[in-house]
Amino acid sequence: AQSVTQLDSQVPVFEEAPVELRCNYSSSVSVYLFWYVQYPNQGLQLLLKYLSGSTLVKGINGFEAEFNKSQTSFHLRKPSVHISDTAEYFCAVKSNFGNEKLTFGTGTRLTIIP
Amino acid sequence: EAQVTQNPRYLITVTGKKLTVTCSQNMNHEYMSWYRQDPGLGLRQIYYSMNVEVTDKGDVPEGYKVSRKEKRNFPLILESPSPNQTSLYFCASSRRLADTDTQYFGPGTRLTVL
Repeated sequence: AQSVTQLDSQVPVFEEAPVELRCNYSSSVSVYLFWYVQYPNQGLQLLLKYLSGSTLVKGINGFEAEFNKSQTSFHLRKPSVHISDTAEYFCAVKSNFGNEKLTFGTGTRLTIIP
Repeated sequence: EAQVTQNPRYLITVTGKKLTVTCSQNMNHEYMSWYRQDPGLGLRQIYYSMNVEVTDKGDVPEGYKVSRKEKRNFPLILESPSPNQTSLYFCASSRRLADTDTQYFGPGTRLTVL
């Protein structure tokens, strides 16, 4: 079984400040890791994913995430946020053995303060 | 344009009145899934379908039914809705179960059961 913990339910950040959204996972096998973004009144969109290789993954809209196996973390970062980044962000995990479904975290609501 | 559509987008109903939320995709995807999103709980899978006439329970299937008679459609049925089914519902599809990280999500259906 696998699980995902997003430690912060809400994160307020001033515009142009950096942000880090935290995600920790638990799994008995190797995993793939993902971040999704949900803009107001929309469905989820894939932001970035880690499958293998470099532990630093770059995604859309200037976001990046770093896979840390020893700390079982996959934190999402952006060096300078914009008003348009206001959204809910979901971390998700999936076993890389066989056909396993995605398991989502509880989400972090990012609010950008002008 | 590749898309997943859901109808209705908003629905207010009363306890016990049967309802159906439709979901349709135009990408010839084999895998389709229903999620509910609740504050503090993230996305939880209700049912999924690997292909036509193949459906299975997700994490929270109680009180829901689905069918997959055609590849493009995957309706969610609430035979006797109750207030605890008030939620935001998302339909999603992907080419196969193995591709669930690249699921396409519908715009969501906000259901209120009084």
